[in-house]
Amino acid sequence: EIVLTQSPGTLSLSPGERATLSCRASQSVSSSYLAWYQQKPGQAPRLLIYGASSRATGIPDRFSGSGSGTDFTLTISRLEPEDFAVYYCQQYGSSPPSYTFGQGTKLEIK
Amino acid sequence: QITLKESGPTLVKPTQTLTLTCTFSGFSLSTSGVGVGWIRQPPGKALEWLALIYWDDDKRYSPSLKSRLTITKDTSKNQVVLTMTNMDPVDTATYYCAHRMVYEGWFDPWGQGTLVTVSS
Repeated sequence: EIVLTQSPGTLSLSPGERATLSCRASQSVSSSYLAWYQQKPGQAPRLLIYGASSRATGIPDRFSGSGSGTDFTLTISRLEPEDFAVYYCQQYGSSPPSYTFGQGTKLEIK
Repeated sequence: QITLKESGPTLVKPTQTLTLTCTFSGFSLSTSGVGVGWIRQPPGKALEWLALIYWDDDKRYSPSLKSRLTITKDTSKNQVVLTMTNMDPVDTATYYCAHRMVYEGWFDPWGQGTLVTVSS
């Protein structure tokens, strides 16, 4: 089973700053099947990025995803107050079919 | 617009069986390529995928929980039902259902979730 490790666990930044979140897989992951979600307190996760780098519908262009193989990155170019939340990466593996989530990165206001 | 909503008991006793229903709108589970999955999240912890069912009744389960899970669909009612047997306090979590397409590796959108507490 592929394990996803996110770092850092907590990231303290100020509005306007750039955020870089990392997701590392224990073995190579197809970029087509790597996604990022945002979760705010008391809410369900919301899809941000799919296919490692494609923004989901309605997601602002300050969010971007990159990476391949075992290393993936979510970047928020200029933090807005509403961006402070927990972010999860997720991969889909087909043999056997399974979906794995990282443990999350909490982005908090400094 | 696709929406999903989970329903079921908020409290179950240890060893009991949990039955959760996902009622959805904006798509049909008789449409080729469509799937509905279940994911849970213990309080303050990460997300864990549980099960998935497709339009053609193909079913997938988390290997670690497979022996306890059953997923079914009622296309006429636009519902997916998840049962989990032998509930334990460690199964206390918010349970989400979510939409996915067969050639996509992600879930979008998600229901609001329902908190299930396992306690005697």
